Amino acid sequence: TQLLEQSPQFLSIQEGENLTVYCNSSSVFSSLQWYRQEPGEGPVLLVTVVTGGEVKKLKRLTFQFGDARKDSSLHITAAQPGDTGLYLCAGRSNDYKLSFGAGTTVTVRA
Amino acid sequence: SQTIHQWPATLVQPVGSPLSLECTVEGTSNPNLYWYRQAAGRGLQLLFYSVGIGQISSEVPQNLSASRPQDRQFILSSKKLLLSDSGFYLCAWNAGAAYNEQFFGPGTRLTVL
Repeated sequence: TQLLEQSPQFLSIQEGENLTVYCNSSSVFSSLQWYRQEPGEGPVLLVTVVTGGEVKKLKRLTFQFGDARKDSSLHITAAQPGDTGLYLCAGRSNDYKLSFGAGTTVTVRA
Repeated sequence: SQTIHQWPATLVQPVGSPLSLECTVEGTSNPNLYWYRQAAGRGLQLLFYSVGIGQISSEVPQNLSASRPQDRQFILSSKKLLLSDSGFYLCAWNAGAAYNEQFFGPGTRLTVL
């Protein structure tokens, strides 16, 4: 059973368009992380959100943590081919472990 | 700064052969260490984690085992590989229970034939 549900599973857009990826759960998390992974490599941490309602911006990427700390979204403005990759969300409960979503594969066409 | 290494990068093994994957972390002390397996293009399944030398917690009953012989060394093993053990294996570390983030190694692609 996947604790975190990510949608959509696949997303293909043209360079310059915007996109949003969603991460939802029925569980409350003390924090939530977003990672990006390229083929054959390990995931790279993009951001951590901790407070309900928190919004963080990383250049063209905007991350939001839901008020109830059960969901999150990642919005990319004016996507570029370099944004292509597998986007993973991961929630931390009150122990040492992270629960990962199944990921959203984003393809940005030039 | 901290660095995490995994080797080998790729491995092709016959069914029934043993396995040993190694992970080491540099630049930190007493990290929490994790082994994950990832199916192609999908999310990560936690296999084992360790909060200290000799301390291993298993998340999924399976054909694999883990050991932590030194503070910054984490080993994933099997006595006899199955076809279903094929996958992308990732090692990760974090600085302890007070920290949220985990940092991943480059991974090992294992193919069992």
